[in-house]
Amino acid sequence: GAGVSQTPSNKVTEKGKYVELRCDPISGHTALYWYRQSLGQGPEFLIYFQGTGAADDSGLPNDRFFAVRPEGSVSTLKIQRTERGDSAVYLCASSPGTSGGADTGELFFGEGSRLTVL
Amino acid sequence: QKEVEQDPGPLSVPEGAIVSLNCTYSNSAFQYFMWYRQYSRKGPELLMYTYSSGNKEDGRFTAQVDKSSKYISLFIRDSQPSDSATYLCAMNRTPGFQKLVFGTGTRLLVSP
Repeated sequence: GAGVSQTPSNKVTEKGKYVELRCDPISGHTALYWYRQSLGQGPEFLIYFQGTGAADDSGLPNDRFFAVRPEGSVSTLKIQRTERGDSAVYLCASSPGTSGGADTGELFFGEGSRLTVL
Repeated sequence: QKEVEQDPGPLSVPEGAIVSLNCTYSNSAFQYFMWYRQYSRKGPELLMYTYSSGNKEDGRFTAQVDKSSKYISLFIRDSQPSDSATYLCAMNRTPGFQKLVFGTGTRLLVSP
């Protein structure tokens, strides 16, 4: 079956511009995560959705970053007024999730969206 | 100081060698420990996960956790060129996998 799909795979933008990154999770997975991986580093947690709501957004670095998942499937990560320090690979992951408690499922990662801010 | 420390490598070994990859951590609240493998320009994929201290074996891979020393290891036996990748350790405080703290990753090169 299809895995986690992320678009675009590469995005080059200029400092100050607005960027949207899209994630299409595995069908039926209720839990969705965004992580950011800078060069030479491990992924860093940004935000976690269980269904449509953000269950934990404590990893978002500042208010320029925002993510939505309006119908509980596709998610969009939005970055306003991009800065050079935002350059990284943005990874999306999904898991089956649970209806009411902790998510015990394995994370399935997409290939990432590589963002370069000039 | 980072919560999770991992030697970035690269670690170069000949085919057939036994590989040892390690991470140390500082937060005693971590209870779930994972190893992910990441090929170049791909997303991480889960290799092993363990809960609390002990060993877990899966084929050529063995994961060890020593909570008293805050130290985890991944051993790869009979390493293959296809094992060449970056290996990331990851940890979680709560049941499940939602908010992982990753190490920086160790790049492994297995030469034929």
